[in-house]
Formats: sequence, C-alpha cells, structure tokens
Amino acid sequence: EAGVAQSPRYKIIEKRQSVAFWCNPISGHATLYWYQQILGQGPKLLIQFQNNGVVDDSQLPKDRFSAERLKGVDSTLKIQPAKLEDSAVYLCASSLAFAPYNEQFFGPGTRLTVL
Amino acid sequence: AQSVTQLDSHVSVSEGTPVLLRCNYSSSYSPSLFWYVQHPNKGLQLLLKYTSAATLVKGINGFEAEFKKSETSFHLTKPSAHMSDAAEYFCVALQSGGSYIPTFGRGTSLIVHP
Repeated sequence: EAGVAQSPRYKIIEKRQSVAFWCNPISGHATLYWYQQILGQGPKLLIQFQNNGVVDDSQLPKDRFSAERLKGVDSTLKIQPAKLEDSAVYLCASSLAFAPYNEQFFGPGTRLTVL
Repeated sequence: AQSVTQLDSHVSVSEGTPVLLRCNYSSSYSPSLFWYVQHPNKGLQLLLKYTSAATLVKGINGFEAEFKKSETSFHLTKPSAHMSDAAEYFCVALQSGGSYIPTFGRGTSLIVHP
C-alpha cells in the first residue's frame, strides 16, 4: 500500500514570496490533515478536510494561508506571502474515515525555510 | 477546547532500564488517545491507541500505555529501553462529540544512553 505522498520535500524562499505544497493521501482515505511543525514543538493542526469539505480550519492564518481539496483526493496548501515565522515542516496526514480511533498516516513532510 | 500536556520535554534513560513518558489531557468529552513516535528524519508512526475496550493498551516495540480517567492521564511505558527507542514521542487526543479534531502534545524527546 502506497503511503501519503508530499512534494516538494524541501523549499527555500524569500519572505513575501509565495509557495505551494502538495499532498496525495492514501487511496480511499476520506479525511486529510495539514499540520505545521515548528522546530522543537508538536505538530499544530492547520486544516482538516472530510472528503472535499472543511471540518476545522480554526488555526489556519487565513490572511496568508489557503488550502483546497477540490476532488476529495489530493490537496494543496499555499502560503502567500510568506513570513520568516512560517519556517517549519508542513505535514500532511490522512485517515480512513471521519471517526474516533482512526489512525492518522503521515507523509514525510515538506521542510520550508523562509529567508 | 481540549489540551494535551506532555509533562517532560526530555527524558533520559540508560539502555535496559524502564521508560515512562507522561501525558495528561483535558477535554470536555472523553477523547480518543494516541501515542506517535517520530524518529530522526522519518515520518510520524503510530505506537498505540486507546479505544475504550481496555484501559491498558499494548503497542508496537514493547510499549504500552494505561488510560486513567480519574487522573486524566495516558502515560507511555516500556519495561526495558533499547537504543533504537531514542526518538520524539507525541501524545495525541482526538476530541470526540462529533468533531474528531486532533490535538498534539509538545513532544517528549527520549534519550537512551548505552
């Protein structure tokens, strides 16, 4: 079974530039999550999708971050414009269904450096 | 709102000695609870999860955790540490009541000395 795919793995940009990350979840997984993990901290949930609908985006800085999952499969997270404090690893995860006890499967992450 | 508190940012043990990583949760509802491990330069992997079937949960690589509702705790233990256990460990609560929004603790770095 293929795991959660993310690209790119690394990205270096200047502040005020834009960047986009892509995630392809495990086939058949209805729930998709984007997290931001700053060095030394636990992952912070940015947005959670159930199919192509948003379950929670309360911690997504909507003035600069956006995410979509148009066909209920893969997803894109965008930052525009980037700030220095956006330097972090962005993790994508998926789970089979919108239910308790469902394990999340994580991708390898995208390491973003904003200069 | 729920929160997850991992009481120690670092735990240092000698190989062959017991491991205890502490986690407390705060939730309006009874949450689902998980422990994930993150080895250096590797993705997060599930260790174990509490499903309400039993309060003592066994996971991979000899780890187990006990759910104690009265103490709102879900501490992770292992009888004997191995060098390969050195990693970052995260306690996660999945809020119930229909939203199933996950909250991570800040993580505990387990250091294993030979």
